[in-house]
Amino acid sequence: GAVVSQHPSRVICKSGTSVKIECRSLDFQATTMFWYRQFPKQSLMLMATSNEGSKATYEQGVEKDKFLINHASLTLSTLTVTSAHPEDSSFYICSANLRGELFFGEGSRLTVL
Amino acid sequence: GENVEQHPSTLSVQEGDSAVIKCTYSDSASNYFPWYKQELGKRPQLIIDIRSNVGEKKDQRIAVTLNKTAKHFSLHITETQPEDSAVYFCAALRDNYGQNFVFGPGTRLSVLP
Repeated sequence: GAVVSQHPSRVICKSGTSVKIECRSLDFQATTMFWYRQFPKQSLMLMATSNEGSKATYEQGVEKDKFLINHASLTLSTLTVTSAHPEDSSFYICSANLRGELFFGEGSRLTVL
Repeated sequence: GENVEQHPSTLSVQEGDSAVIKCTYSDSASNYFPWYKQELGKRPQLIIDIRSNVGEKKDQRIAVTLNKTAKHFSLHITETQPEDSAVYFCAALRDNYGQNFVFGPGTRLSVLP
């Protein structure tokens, strides 16, 4: 199957700093990628849809200025958590759709101290 | 929009027994229903899927059934093994462009040896 790679897998940062997470489709082009947040023992909550060459579409309740998404190429989308706070600590996962099947990245566990 | 419910939230079975997880969806226009397995700290992986023109699909020990009239679909795992222990998510296609999915809240399956 297709491969979606996410980096970093784990990141620890201080409160107030910004963290960037990358999501790459390694063997296919993805005009659209999806970013999810997953709390412990909970489901995948869609945060935003990343569109190559245009603005991301955010889900209701997700702060655009807090979670900056950039989809600069057909194989790369980035999520930047700006001015991170402890409540932003979570597991963030990206995915891309290839011929109707969703492929997920490995996920990035963010811990904000 | 689409809403997906999933039951039970937790399920414990003895090794060798069968496990059944049920999902209901709200949007009658949804036409694709995948099931994902997520092991602790890892990415969700597609295990089986079904389209609305089919009532049942089977892949070795795993099967999925779909009742379009009632708008529900179920995952069946037979002869369960300890490695089947994971969180299982159902999903339904949300829009007409085949891009994104709405996920159920997940079922934590524990297979006891």
